Amino acid sequence: SQKIEQNSEALNIQEGKTATLTCNYTNYSPAYLQWYRQDPGRGPVFLLLIRENEKEKRKERLKVTFDTTLKQSLFHITASQPADSATYLCALGHRGSTLGRLYFGRGTQLTVWP
Amino acid sequence: EAQVTQNPRYLITVTGKKLTVTCSQNMNHEYMSWYRQDPGLGLRQIYYSMNVEVTDKGDVPEGYKVSRKEKRNFPLILESPSPNQTSLYFCASSLVRGPGELFFGEGSRLTVL
Repeated sequence: SQKIEQNSEALNIQEGKTATLTCNYTNYSPAYLQWYRQDPGRGPVFLLLIRENEKEKRKERLKVTFDTTLKQSLFHITASQPADSATYLCALGHRGSTLGRLYFGRGTQLTVWP
Repeated sequence: EAQVTQNPRYLITVTGKKLTVTCSQNMNHEYMSWYRQDPGLGLRQIYYSMNVEVTDKGDVPEGYKVSRKEKRNFPLILESPSPNQTSLYFCASSLVRGPGELFFGEGSRLTVL
């Protein structure tokens, strides 16, 4: 089955800096990759989706890259704020017989301190 | 308001007592799915449904049942709960079968004694 690794369980950065989170995968090549934000005790909230034929996607202060050769996605939050503190999850999806499957990483807990 | 509603939000039960966690979405979404979240293990998919009357297993289906008789509802049934099913459960839905953007419910925290 799909294996997903997200960099270090916790990442601490200072306000105003750029946070970079990593999602590495092995085995099957995904058709797309998603990023979610999860606050304690809440359900995940969708942030961005990037497809296998896309290199980069942006949304306001967020940027996602997708490198199918390295089997890696990077998630950037520029000009980070304390309100960005949360756990960020990456998820991979495929086509074909496993169309309905979505595989999540364990998440990276981001803390932005003032 | 567009939302995914789960009930109950919190439940403490005993081993072997059948229970159902309901999930309902008001967005006319095709796709629905159940996940469980455990410390250190992340979100794991239990079952999903691509359409009415169409369900399929995820990574951890053992001990669970689902049904999709109506588009909006996707209940999760634990026929004989055991302590290893103590977890935080999330229902999610998506407009497309891909799935695309997932909308999650607020979660149901289940404890099986």
